[in-house]
Formats: sequence, C-alpha cells, structure tokens
Amino acid sequence: NAGVMQNPRHLVRRRGQEARLRCSPMKGHSHVYWYRQLPEEGLKFMVYLQKENIIDESGMPKERFSAEFPKEGPSILRIQQVVRGDSAAYFCASSPQRSSTDTQYFGPGTRLTVL
Amino acid sequence: AQTVTQSQPEMSVQEAETVTLSCTYDTSESDYYLFWYKQPPSRQMILVIRQEAYKQQNATENRFSVNFQKAAKSFSLKISDSQLGDAAMYFCAYKTFSGGGADGLTFGKGTHLIIQP
Repeated sequence: NAGVMQNPRHLVRRRGQEARLRCSPMKGHSHVYWYRQLPEEGLKFMVYLQKENIIDESGMPKERFSAEFPKEGPSILRIQQVVRGDSAAYFCASSPQRSSTDTQYFGPGTRLTVL
Repeated sequence: AQTVTQSQPEMSVQEAETVTLSCTYDTSESDYYLFWYKQPPSRQMILVIRQEAYKQQNATENRFSVNFQKAAKSFSLKISDSQLGDAAMYFCAYKTFSGGGADGLTFGKGTHLIIQP
C-alpha cells in the first residue's frame, strides 16, 4: 500500500509567482490535511479537506492561499504571488475517515523556496 | 486553544543507553489523543507512538514507551537501547477527541535527539 505522495519534493519560485503543491492520499483515505513547517518550528495545521469539500480552514492564511481536493485527482495547495515568508516545508497527511481515532499519515513534504 | 510544549530543544545520548524526551500540554478537554512523531534528516514525518487519554495504560512500541501523566498534562517519550537510527527531531502532538472540534494536530517545537556512537 503506497504511502502519502507529494510532489514536487522541492519547488523554487521567485517572488510574485504561483506555487502549486500536490498531495495524493494513501489508498482508501478520503481525508487530507495540510501543514506548514517553518525553519526550526513544529508543524502548523492549515486546512482539512474531504473530497470536494473544505471542512476546516482555520489555519489557512486569509489571502493568497487556497486548497482543493477534487473528486478525481490529488489535493492541491495553491499559493499565489509568493513572498519570501512562504518559504517552508509543506506537509500533507491523510486518514481514512473523520474520526478522532484515526492516525494521520504524513507524506514526505514539499520544500518551497522563494527567491 | 491547546498548546504543546517541548522544553528540550536538544538531547544527546550514548548509543545503547536510555533517553527520555519531555512534553507537556495545556487543554481543558478530558478526552484527546497524544502522539510522538519522528522526523529524520529526510524530513519524512513518521509516527512513533500514540496514546488515548482515556486509557490508563501507557502505550509501548518495542523500544519506545510513554509516561502519560494526565493530571500533570505530561507525555514523555522513553527510548530504550538507543540506536544510531533514532537520531532525528521528535515532535509531540495533540489531537482533540471530538470530531466536531479542531481537526488538525497541534505540534510542539520539537526536540533534536543526537545519538553518540
């Protein structure tokens, strides 16, 4: 059973460009979570999605950031007009269902560098 | 809001010895879940162990065990017979029990574990 897949693993963007990060959950998992890890920090929750629905976006910055999880295909975290402060590692996790008992399994992360 | 505190930015232990990483948390909830994740240099987040707050018994996974003190809101990780492959950042994390509440994990800032050969 393949784990959570994220691509690209490394992404370099210049200020003002757009960044698109993709996450394919584990097989059988329909719940996706996105986290951001700034240097020397722990992970911070950004958004939780199910297929075609955003359930909890309490950790998402109000501007420039958006996320989707379409019926077909991977979940996408989109950052418009990137700034240097967006440089971080972005992790995706998945779980089978929305249950407190379910562990979230993490992907390898995408390291975004904004020049 | 819940907070998770890891007071040890870095710990060092000799190979084959035992080390304990500390974690405290703050919550007003009675039911929740606690986790330890490991992040090696590859940066992959790997689940080490988890504990349900309603369970009295401390969780154990091979050489990894926890000391869960609910009243003290403490959740330390003990690694026995330390191995070079245990070298990593270790993160303590909290998850609310209620599905209607916050869905994300709350992480501490991490402890960098160094294994001395």
